[in-house]
Amino acid sequence: KQEVTQIPAALSVPEGENLVLNCSFTDSAIYNLQWFRQDPGKGLTSLLLIQSSQREQTSGRLNASLDKSSGRSTLYIAASQPGDSATYLCAVPGANNLFFGTGTRLTVIP
Amino acid sequence: DTAVSQTPKYLVTQMGNDKSIKCEQNLGHDTMYWYKQDSKKFLKIMFSYNNKELIINETVPNRFSPKSPDKAHLNLHINSLELGDSAVYFCASSQVPQGTANVLTFGAGSRLTVL
Repeated sequence: KQEVTQIPAALSVPEGENLVLNCSFTDSAIYNLQWFRQDPGKGLTSLLLIQSSQREQTSGRLNASLDKSSGRSTLYIAASQPGDSATYLCAVPGANNLFFGTGTRLTVIP
Repeated sequence: DTAVSQTPKYLVTQMGNDKSIKCEQNLGHDTMYWYKQDSKKFLKIMFSYNNKELIINETVPNRFSPKSPDKAHLNLHINSLELGDSAVYFCASSQVPQGTANVLTFGAGSRLTVL
């Protein structure tokens, strides 16, 4: 069964720093990988979707990479802002659902 | 307009009660899901319906019963509530079942607290 792990569980950085969030998965036979953002008391917002044939996907200050063979993905956030503070989750699809990681809680300190 | 809406947003109830959480999506999606997020923030699939038919039923106590009157609605009924049922329940929808390129759209969550 697919297992998705995210490291670190929590991260605090000063505003302006670049940072990397890590996601690893055990079964590399995936169609795609998604990164989500969850704000406290809110639902999940999809940030980036990387297809299995892609190695990178970019949206604004966010860049996600995917290495299927090693079962890893990273989310790079450039020039972090206090508004980036949230929990970030990665997810990979199973037969009919998504397997989520446990998330990384990011705090960007002004 | 809210794409996936859940009601209620907060629910506080006593052990042993029966409660329901409702979910509606106006995206025209065929597939809807219920996920449970526990106190450690781990999201786990509970049920999935595709066009009103159950396609996923994970190891969930049979006190939990989903109902899909049409493909735009997926309600979750919970009987004999227990303390361990306290969690945030998320509804989601997608064009077709996951495994393809489709993205899930999530509701804002329903926080259930059992006292």
